Amino acid sequence: AQSVTQLGSHVSVSEGALVLLRCNYSSSVPPYLFWYVQYPNQGLQLLLKYTSAATLVKGINGFEAEFKKSETSFHLTKPSAHMSDAAEYFCAVSDQNDYKLSFGAGTTVTVRA
Amino acid sequence: NAGVTQTPKFQVLKTGQSMTLQCAQDMNHEYMSWYRQDPGMGLRLIHYSVGAGITDQGEVPNGYNVSRSTTEDFPLRLLSAAPSQTSVYFCASSYTETGKNIQYFGAGTRLSVL
Repeated sequence: AQSVTQLGSHVSVSEGALVLLRCNYSSSVPPYLFWYVQYPNQGLQLLLKYTSAATLVKGINGFEAEFKKSETSFHLTKPSAHMSDAAEYFCAVSDQNDYKLSFGAGTTVTVRA
Repeated sequence: NAGVTQTPKFQVLKTGQSMTLQCAQDMNHEYMSWYRQDPGMGLRLIHYSVGAGITDQGEVPNGYNVSRSTTEDFPLRLLSAAPSQTSVYFCASSYTETGKNIQYFGAGTRLSVL
């Protein structure tokens, strides 16, 4: 069974500072990994995905994530936070041959002016 | 392109009432699923379907029923609402082909059970 752990339920950053959201996964088989973003009162939107190609994945809005098999991690970063990045972020995992997703508990990002 | 459409957006029920949450997608996706979102718990899978006539249980199926008579629609039924079912419900859909299983989400239904 797949599972993900997101370290830190809340992250506060200054505008222009680095955003780092941590995700560790547990999987007995090679996984697919995803980051989703949820803006207030909206559904989830895909930021980026890892599907066993390049280990450094670039997504929308300047976000990227690196798959590190040795650390079972898929941390999300953005070099310079913008006020519009304030949202909740979810890491998710699935088997390569499955379509069911297992989600982490989520990390809420606030951006200080 | 409408994507995944959920209705209603908001609903208040009394304990014991029943209702159906609607979900429709226009992307010809085989896979559809229902999640509930509760604070600090992420999204948990309730039921899912890999095609018309095929449904299966997810992580938290008790108190919910689903059916899939068409590719487009995947309604979620609450048989006898309980306060523990107060939550935000999301429907999602995707292709089942490996590498194309990116899930697209609806805007959600916010349900309160009094």
